[in-house]
Amino acid sequence: GEEVAQTPKHLVRGEGQKAKLYCAPIKGHSYVFWYQQVLKNEFKFLISFQNENVFDETGMPKERFSAKCLPNSPCSLEIQATKLEDSAVYFCASSQGPSTGGHRETQYFGPGTRLLVL
Amino acid sequence: AQSVTQPDIHITVSEGASLELRCNYSYGATPYLFWYVQSPGQGLQLLLKYFSGDTLVQGIKGFEAEFKRSQSSFNLRKPSVHWSDAAEYFCAVGAGGTSYGKLTFGQGTILTVHP
Repeated sequence: GEEVAQTPKHLVRGEGQKAKLYCAPIKGHSYVFWYQQVLKNEFKFLISFQNENVFDETGMPKERFSAKCLPNSPCSLEIQATKLEDSAVYFCASSQGPSTGGHRETQYFGPGTRLLVL
Repeated sequence: AQSVTQPDIHITVSEGASLELRCNYSYGATPYLFWYVQSPGQGLQLLLKYFSGDTLVQGIKGFEAEFKRSQSSFNLRKPSVHWSDAAEYFCAVGAGGTSYGKLTFGQGTILTVHP
């Protein structure tokens, strides 16, 4: 598609429950990025993929967070045993990939999934 | 490590007035710089970007930004603000190489527009 799609729009989980978020990148984009926005304005990079391969996972809290991008399926971000501090908006972005001059590197963001952990 | 500072948390302007939102970055090489806008409850919309070349870049909705390497700044400007510009604005710096794509965002500047 022409836009990054994220589902669900809202997700409410009790502490300790699992949460799974989905992202469909723009068609033709080979890179996918996940960001976490907490306290309304602080963005934190979580992980990026180049096609189905993890490219950079330096931002992932590895104990409870996992992510996948499988061929012909939306990418997913899963949180096992959610905690109160996981409450945030999770954004997915996609880009075409690196290039000389950088124009393919622009990241286009989806509308986000708002996760509330009670 | 790269970093971005937006010194102004909240700016209020009157409709029709000019606007400048400040952004300072720290990055070891030539940065990729972006301005995004976020309306309440919405995702991020790209306003403009700088990769190389002309240091004055034009974006959507009448916005422009100027890259000043000597000042490590990438300030966003608009000559005449409209009420619909009220939103939160984020400056971001992107990396290349093995850190490709990892955007670092500033803290955001909330813009309020008075009629």
